Amino acid sequence: QVLLVQSGAEARKPGASVKVSCKASGYTFSTYSMHWLRQAPGQSLEWVGWINPGNGDTKYSQKFQGRVAFTIDTSASTAYMDLNSLRTEDTAIYYCARLWLGPSFDLWGQGTLVTVSS
Amino acid sequence: EIVLTQSPGTLSLSPGQRATLSCRVSQSVASSNIAWYQQNPGQAPRLLIYGASTRATDIPDRFSGGGSGTHFTLTISRLEPEDSAVYFCQQYASSPLFGPGTKVEIK
Repeated sequence: QVLLVQSGAEARKPGASVKVSCKASGYTFSTYSMHWLRQAPGQSLEWVGWINPGNGDTKYSQKFQGRVAFTIDTSASTAYMDLNSLRTEDTAIYYCARLWLGPSFDLWGQGTLVTVSS
Repeated sequence: EIVLTQSPGTLSLSPGQRATLSCRVSQSVASSNIAWYQQNPGQAPRLLIYGASTRATDIPDRFSGGGSGTHFTLTISRLEPEDSAVYFCQQYASSPLFGPGTKVEIK
């Protein structure tokens, strides 16, 4: 079964960091770029950036540049997102998603709720 | 900067009716770069349409997409109760951008 499974919900204080994982199964991990998006409560989706699991190349949204980093463990077919200097407005569900034809996102993780509160 | 606008904000229809959702883009984009998603509460988005008009895997044929340039549409030909959800359009030029969404309610 083709799946993306993310790590569980996290709670952090402002200024802290969080690391979210996304484990892929059922397909060749290195073949498709992995994107990270987020969705604040009641809002639309916002793109954070992507990583190429094949070579580790990354591209980050300007909004998050300098605060976010994506990494890959190819042996575990797992992608990671590190977000630091957290603010209350970073409270959102964070999704990993596979880029497919179109381009569009055909496979999504279940989402990881990150709550930032003092 | 490209902006996506979706209308209406909310659509309330009865089962069996036809729903037409609109997505307007602030500048002309290639049809190949337009996708539509369905999102139910507490769930991740689900890809419905890519390339403006191609149904994704296992998507029922009552869902269809169309349009070009700056105006794209998602049509649900015969609404079923399980179609109650929020629908987002997405364009992908240099990076993906999503519209604000249309909520479809089934009476």
